[in-house]
Amino acid sequence: SQQGEEDPQALSIQEGENATMNCSYKTSINNLQWYRQNSGRGLVHLILIRSNEREKHSGRLRVTLDTSKKSSSLLITASRAADTASYFCATRGATNKLIFGTGTLLAVQP
Amino acid sequence: EPEVTQTPSHQVTQMGQEVILRCVPISNHLYFYWYRQILGQKVEFLVSFYNNEISEKSEIFDDQFSVERPDGSNFTLKIRSTKLEDSAMYFCASRTMGNEQFFGPGTRLTVL
Repeated sequence: SQQGEEDPQALSIQEGENATMNCSYKTSINNLQWYRQNSGRGLVHLILIRSNEREKHSGRLRVTLDTSKKSSSLLITASRAADTASYFCATRGATNKLIFGTGTLLAVQP
Repeated sequence: EPEVTQTPSHQVTQMGQEVILRCVPISNHLYFYWYRQILGQKVEFLVSFYNNEISEKSEIFDDQFSVERPDGSNFTLKIRSTKLEDSAMYFCASRTMGNEQFFGPGTRLTVL
C-alpha cells in the first residue's frame, strides 16, 4: 500500500530562514498534495502537484516531485512564526482516497 | 469562502455507546470522505461516499461504522458501539470533480 513518510520529523528554524520538508512514497500516484495542520486543528490544503509535473510554486511555497525516486519536497521560503504547524504530504493513487504521511512538525522561532 | 463544517467539536462518550458525528460539506461538492487521526499518528482514510453510496472503505471501517447522507446537506458518521481505540480526531472532507479535498476542522472523540 502507499505510504508517505516525511523527514525530518521535526524542524526548528529562525524566522526568515527557509524550511525544507521531504516526503517519500511507495507506489504510483495520480497526484501529491501538501497540507498544513495547526495544533489540534483541521487540515488546510496548501498545494497539489500532478504526477506529470516536476515543480510548482504558490506564493512562498515551492513543491518538487521526482516520480523516479518517489519523493517530493516542500520548501517554505522566508518563514514566519505563523508558519509553525505540522505539514503532511498526501498521495492520491488510482482511487480517490488520500494516503497521508507521518508529518513534519515545523517550529519557526521569532 | 465556503467551508466544510463539523459538529460537535468535541464528543465524550462511554465505551459501548453509539455516537454520530456530523458534517456539512461544501454545497456543490459531490464526493465525501471521513478520515481519522489518532493522537500523534497519521491521518487515516476511513471511507469515501459518492452518489449516495460508499465508493471505498478501509479495513478500519468495519461493521461498527456507517455513513449516511440523510438530506441534501449533512453527511454523518455513526459508530454503533464505541471502543477505547476509537478515540481520535475525525475529519470530514469533500470535493467537486477536482482533486483538492477540503477538510473540516474535525471532531475530537474521546471514549472513556
